[in-house]
Amino acid sequence: DAKTTQPTSMDCAEGRAANLPCNHSTISGNEYVYWYRQIHSQGPQYIIHGLKNNETNEMASLIITEDRKSSTLILPHATLRDTAVYYCIVRPANYGGSQGNLIFGKGTKLSVKP
Amino acid sequence: NAGVTQTPKFQVLKTGQSMTLQCAQDMNHEYMSWYRQDPGMGLRLIHYSVGAGITDQGEVPNGYNVSRSTTEDFPLRLLSAAPSQTSVYFCASSYAAGMNTEAFFGQGTRLTVV
Repeated sequence: DAKTTQPTSMDCAEGRAANLPCNHSTISGNEYVYWYRQIHSQGPQYIIHGLKNNETNEMASLIITEDRKSSTLILPHATLRDTAVYYCIVRPANYGGSQGNLIFGKGTKLSVKP
Repeated sequence: NAGVTQTPKFQVLKTGQSMTLQCAQDMNHEYMSWYRQDPGMGLRLIHYSVGAGITDQGEVPNGYNVSRSTTEDFPLRLLSAAPSQTSVYFCASSYAAGMNTEAFFGQGTRLTVV
């Protein structure tokens, strides 16, 4: 089972920041938080991952709370092309065997509206 | 750089027929895996491989076989197709255990069993 909890759906106005929350209250000290998205039944696409520090790349920012029990993915200026299902996944830092597999929940369906 | 290539993109089978879904990656990744996605659901792991010659079962392995004779290829075989196997199938690959990098996904094979 997925070890994360996400809202089923969210709306965001085009050009505004989209803030997608994720709860991972049972996360272990050696587990990373990963975010992927899936646009209209295409293959999932990696966005970002982090352990404890906040991370930023060209696509998004990831804010992890100090207790690491939750995180927020931020798309700073959402566009219509960001409409997708966003998945938050936890994965061990030093995995082997089955631990390397990504376990997907149902994710959050983000709808960016004009 | 082709990434992860899945063939075919679409397939219709009759109940009882067999077929092989192809997956190839050109990134020298050790980890490869197969997922299925049913309408409104997240991805569920079918089989995975941590390297050539090594395969293991995921969450929903029944009715599927895999082999990994080379690093590049990870075919998924349906032995006797059933309507319950109508789904979208995704193949993924990533680097070896202990390396926290992104997984790459193919664009999917849409299978209908009638």
